Amino acid sequence: DTAVSQTPKYLVTQMGNDKSIKCEQNLGHDTMYWYKQDSKKFLKIMFSYNNKELIINETVPNRFSPKSPDKAHLNLHINSLELGDSAVYFCASRQANTGELFFGEGSRLTVL
Amino acid sequence: GQQLNQSPQSMFIQEGEDVSMNCTSSSIFNTWLWYKQDPGEGPVLLIALYKAGELTSNGRLTAQFGITRKDSFLNISASIPSDVGIYFCAGLNSGGSNYKLTFGKGTLLTVNP
Repeated sequence: DTAVSQTPKYLVTQMGNDKSIKCEQNLGHDTMYWYKQDSKKFLKIMFSYNNKELIINETVPNRFSPKSPDKAHLNLHINSLELGDSAVYFCASRQANTGELFFGEGSRLTVL
Repeated sequence: GQQLNQSPQSMFIQEGEDVSMNCTSSSIFNTWLWYKQDPGEGPVLLIALYKAGELTSNGRLTAQFGITRKDSFLNISASIPSDVGIYFCAGLNSGGSNYKLTFGKGTLLTVNP
């Protein structure tokens, strides 16, 4: 069973479109994250939710909107996609009282 | 914000050699973690360090949490081809429910058979 699963794994779309990436974890963790990995492989935190509540919101354009329907799911919706949004987006969940993050396999977004 | 300096950026070694990489920070962390990322995959946790001075091993991997709390290193002994990948250090300062992990920029390791 996959612990942290993201869909889709690949997404190719045109500038200006709106797209969503979904994430689910079956580890029973309370906290989930979205990270963005750019072409230089730098991992930058975007958002974190703890039990459906937003607790970390880095400087991210408001075109990016996370949504957590329950603590096992954290989805990322992106409006009006731009070329610079092309990256790999990683979902992660965290074991309580530790810093140990478990990552999904990533969703590679390409904006043309 | 906090920054992590990870070095080297890349390494090319022969199979069987030992490898060392490190991270330094401008500020104190209370947890250090080391991750490995294979191509097309997400980062996977290798070692977690929770106390200053702590030295922890995981097979051929050894990592240490620096005494100053501002640095950590990872050693890989007797490298093998499957050690190829990107290694990331990450530091954590936890406050309440706000566990924010800051990542280094990664060390790309290539192992020649």
